Amino acid sequence: AQSVTQLDSQVPVFEEAPVELRCNYSSSVSVYLFWYVQYPNQGLQLLLKYLSGSTLVKGINGFEAEFNKSQTSFHLRKPSVHISDTAEYFCAVRGGYGGSQGNLIFGKGTKLSVKP
Amino acid sequence: ETGVTQSPTHLIKTRGQQVTLRCSSQSGHNTVSWYQQALGQGPQFIFQYYREEENGRGNFPPRFSGLQFPNYSSELNVNALELDDSALYLCASSSPGTGLGEQFFGPGTRLTVL
Repeated sequence: AQSVTQLDSQVPVFEEAPVELRCNYSSSVSVYLFWYVQYPNQGLQLLLKYLSGSTLVKGINGFEAEFNKSQTSFHLRKPSVHISDTAEYFCAVRGGYGGSQGNLIFGKGTKLSVKP
Repeated sequence: ETGVTQSPTHLIKTRGQQVTLRCSSQSGHNTVSWYQQALGQGPQFIFQYYREEENGRGNFPPRFSGLQFPNYSSELNVNALELDDSALYLCASSSPGTGLGEQFFGPGTRLTVL
């Protein structure tokens, strides 16, 4: 069975500082990993995804993540955050339901709070 | 290109009532998935519809049911509402061409059960 653990429920950081949001996964099938962002009162927006190939994945808004199979991790990083990055971030792994497109199994989320 | 839309935005019901939530998929997407996001939690998969048939289901009781229409829009129905059903309900659309596992989410419907 697949599962996702987000190790930090809240991460406060100052503007222009680097940030890392941690995610560990468990999967018994081929691993497809995602990071989504949720701004207040909005749905989820895809930041980036790992399906195969290069373990360093670049996404929107300057975010990147590194897939580490040996450590079963997929940490999200940004070298310099902005106030506008304040949001909740969800790591997800593709699950086994829903036919060829699959469902998503989410972690509990990490609230990133960027302070001026 | 129109994104995923959901209605209503907010809804208040009482315990024991029934509710119907609606979702219009993004243009060109033939698959709709529904998720429940309780306060402080990540979204949990309820079920998925593909070509008007249920294509997979998570760990939710039968009082959660759905439909998909020929235009690929979808409904989520919940009978005999319980207090724990209070949550944000998210609809996501996709198609085989959107990339493995990638889903496009609507803004959600906030359901409060009193």
